[in-house]
Amino acid sequence: EAGVVQSPRYKIIEKKQPVAFWCNPISGHNTLYWYRQNLGQGPELLIRYENEEAVDDSQLPKDRFSAERLKGVDSTLKIQPAELGDSAVYLCASSLARGATGELFFGEGSRLTVL
Amino acid sequence: GEDVEQSLFLSVREGDSSVINCTYTDSSSTYLYWYKQEPGAGLQLLTYIFSNMDMKQDQRLTVLLNKKDKHLSLRIADTQTGDSAIYFCAEIESYNKLIFGAGTRLAVHP
Repeated sequence: EAGVVQSPRYKIIEKKQPVAFWCNPISGHNTLYWYRQNLGQGPELLIRYENEEAVDDSQLPKDRFSAERLKGVDSTLKIQPAELGDSAVYLCASSLARGATGELFFGEGSRLTVL
Repeated sequence: GEDVEQSLFLSVREGDSSVINCTYTDSSSTYLYWYKQEPGAGLQLLTYIFSNMDMKQDQRLTVLLNKKDKHLSLRIADTQTGDSAIYFCAEIESYNKLIFGAGTRLAVHP
């Protein structure tokens, strides 16, 4: 069974440029998460989807970040315009909707470098 | 808000036991977790413990939970070079919303 797939793995852009990350969760997982992991830190939740609905986006900087999960499967996270402080690894994760055991399945992440 | 703290680095000799410690703040967390992150990879759930337990053992892994002190530990017996990774402690704030610590980098040397 395929795991959570993310692309691109690496992205280098200049500040003020836009960037987008794509995530395909594990088949059948209704819940999808975007986390940001700064260097030397643990992941921090940006947004959580239950199917198509964003149920927790309180940590998403809405002035420059946006996300969508139009058909309740794949998701895209966009940053426009990017700032130097956005350099981080963006992790996508998915989980089954039922239960709350906290077992999240993570992708390998998209490493963003903003110059 | 909720906070999870861990020591940042641990070095052990191959074959010894490793003990990684964590403190958390949310006493209402129903589960506490240990995730493992190998270089260039995403996080992988290693084990978890329900809050009404004080110990859980799974092969070489032993999790100890002290709810009074809000202290969680992960013991890896007979540590191998393949155990070298970053280990994240996490508490659950609400439905499937995890709060992660900064991670403990475990280095295993011969």
